[in-house]
Amino acid sequence: KAGVTQTPRYLIKTRGQQVTLSCSPISGHRSVSWYQQTPGQGLQFLFEYFSETQRNKGNFPGRFSGRQFSNSRSEMNVSTLELGDSALYLCASSPQGAANEKLFFGSGTQLSVL
Amino acid sequence: AQSVAQPEDQVNVAEGNPLTVKCTYSVSGNPYLFWYVQYPNRGLQFLLKYITGDNLVKGSYGFEAEFNKSQTSFHLKKPSALVSDSALYFCAVRDRGRDDKIIFGKGTRLHILP
Repeated sequence: KAGVTQTPRYLIKTRGQQVTLSCSPISGHRSVSWYQQTPGQGLQFLFEYFSETQRNKGNFPGRFSGRQFSNSRSEMNVSTLELGDSALYLCASSPQGAANEKLFFGSGTQLSVL
Repeated sequence: AQSVAQPEDQVNVAEGNPLTVKCTYSVSGNPYLFWYVQYPNRGLQFLLKYITGDNLVKGSYGFEAEFNKSQTSFHLKKPSALVSDSALYFCAVRDRGRDDKIIFGKGTRLHILP
């Protein structure tokens, strides 16, 4: 089975631009969640989607949004980029999104905002 | 509110010695607890989890963790460290019985010295 796939692997953007990141979960997994990883803040939860519905959301501004498609693939969008948005963005999937399930992570998208 | 603390940013251990990576947590109910490991330029990989039952949980690569309810701790341990164990380790908690988001600690960088 293929693992979680995130594209692109690297992105360089300038302040004010917007960006869309993509995540394809493991086949059969219906839950997709997104995380921001920075050296200072560690790993922070952005949001979780299950069956095309946002089920949970972290404490990030409205510039961060996402969606999930009927095939469980998910996209994350960040509008009006700021320098502080530079981070590694990780996507994870799990079969049902149950609290006791382990997460399967992709390799991430490294976003640099100049 | 849920929280996770990893009190050590970095831990150095000589190869062959036992290692411990500390984690304490706070939840309003009973927790599900997880450890994940991140190797350079990779996403996170699941190591082990505590759901219920035996307080000593065994996981991948010879790692184990002990759930201590009275001390609200879930320390990661390994009897004999390998250089290949050098990586970034994350503890995570999720509140059992609540449809709530997963909270990660800020991570502990483990250096195994040859």
